[in-house]
Amino acid sequence: DGGITQSPKYLFRKEGQNVTLSCEQNLNHDAMYWYRQDPGQGLRLIYYSQIVNDFQKGDIAEGYSVSREKKESFPLTVTSAQKNPTAFYLCASRLGAQGPPNYGYTFGSGTRLTVV
Amino acid sequence: GIQVEQSPPDLILQEGANSTLRCNFSDSVNNLQWFHQNPWGQLINLFYIPSGTKQNGRLSATTVATERYSLLYISSSQTTDSGVYFCVVSGAGSYQLTFGKGTKLSVIP
Repeated sequence: DGGITQSPKYLFRKEGQNVTLSCEQNLNHDAMYWYRQDPGQGLRLIYYSQIVNDFQKGDIAEGYSVSREKKESFPLTVTSAQKNPTAFYLCASRLGAQGPPNYGYTFGSGTRLTVV
Repeated sequence: GIQVEQSPPDLILQEGANSTLRCNFSDSVNNLQWFHQNPWGQLINLFYIPSGTKQNGRLSATTVATERYSLLYISSSQTTDSGVYFCVVSGAGSYQLTFGKGTKLSVIP
């Protein structure tokens, strides 16, 4: 079955370390996204990518970096510059900005990152 | 950017009750989805509904695009309906999603 796979489900990071969250999709979707969710809040956009080798900052990109070397993969690195990285991170994909009426977004199951 | 407001922010229901969740948005959209986030964090797509009405079992949704709102109806609620319901939109030609802050639903037996 097609879908989005995020790994790991839980991740612990020491202060000052960089960590990379994986997001892989086999849906042949063009666009991919990273969101952050904090307790009791909605999701906020970190980065998104419309095509391979291209990505744009979202609302809260500071302290994060991404790459899009392959259509299927959109890893997110949480750098030591991110002051408050403890959160739930969700990856999503979509076939394209335009499309048949039933096209929508598909989400991964998320990675819960905790700084220790 | 597009603003999305959801109401109510919190809702407690007795099992078997019905409810209506509302989503208002500030501009024209080409995508509107309702998601249910379960207690484990998984976002489940309920409806892709930029306009019109859809039904799926006990759930139904209506979007009136000209008046910039969408409604999610839950009938005969069950404890498994508990979680947070998000309204998510994107504007014409845009890849960016805008999330509402969600409605936290608690269904008690």
